[in-house]
Amino acid sequence: EPEVTQTPSHQVTQMGQEVILRCVPISNHLYFYWYRQILGQKVEFLVSFYNNEISEKSEIFDDQFSVERPDGSNFTLKIRSTKLEDSAMYFCASSRVSVYEQYFGPGTRLTVT
Amino acid sequence: RKEVEQDPGPFNVPEGATVAFNCTYSNSASQSFFWYRQDCRKEPKLLMSVYSSGNEDGRFTAQLNRASQYISLLIRDSKLSDSATYLCVVTHMNTGFQKLVFGTGTRLLVSP
Repeated sequence: EPEVTQTPSHQVTQMGQEVILRCVPISNHLYFYWYRQILGQKVEFLVSFYNNEISEKSEIFDDQFSVERPDGSNFTLKIRSTKLEDSAMYFCASSRVSVYEQYFGPGTRLTVT
Repeated sequence: RKEVEQDPGPFNVPEGATVAFNCTYSNSASQSFFWYRQDCRKEPKLLMSVYSSGNEDGRFTAQLNRASQYISLLIRDSKLSDSATYLCVVTHMNTGFQKLVFGTGTRLLVSP
């Protein structure tokens, strides 16, 4: 069964450093998403991406965040200057069309020290 | 008011029990509805979509009441492996693109 993959599984970084989280969506999916989950809290939408453009972003997704699809398979989330409050689990998801179910990757645990 | 509200639990039930979870949502424009399950420190996994007519998948039955903005999940004959957090999810499509809005989840513990 095809699945979304994410790397790394755990990233530790110092405050102020840049991090790039990587995702490989399911191959015939066209819509891509990033969500995050702070420990003990609910899953929150960050951004959706389609046709090489951001289609929607939340208020969390400020200028420190960016997304890119650098090639035909990878989808990345960059945090330019990490803050302590960016520590969370970051999940990538993809869907075949916008109204279909989204499938999640295993997540990257980001720890900012 | 939270967009999606769920009783956090935990619900402690013995194996074989029937358990029901409820969820309410505040945005009447919500378009699609799902139940996801999440194991500790893992990704949300789609359990089932929820349709207006109600739908069943094995031991799981989901119901949607759009008028009351209420969603339910019934699990029959609980198994130890059902222990997880169950996430009620609705979708918004403000810009033509879907985003998932999650509840905080209801934790289920099934004991032998």
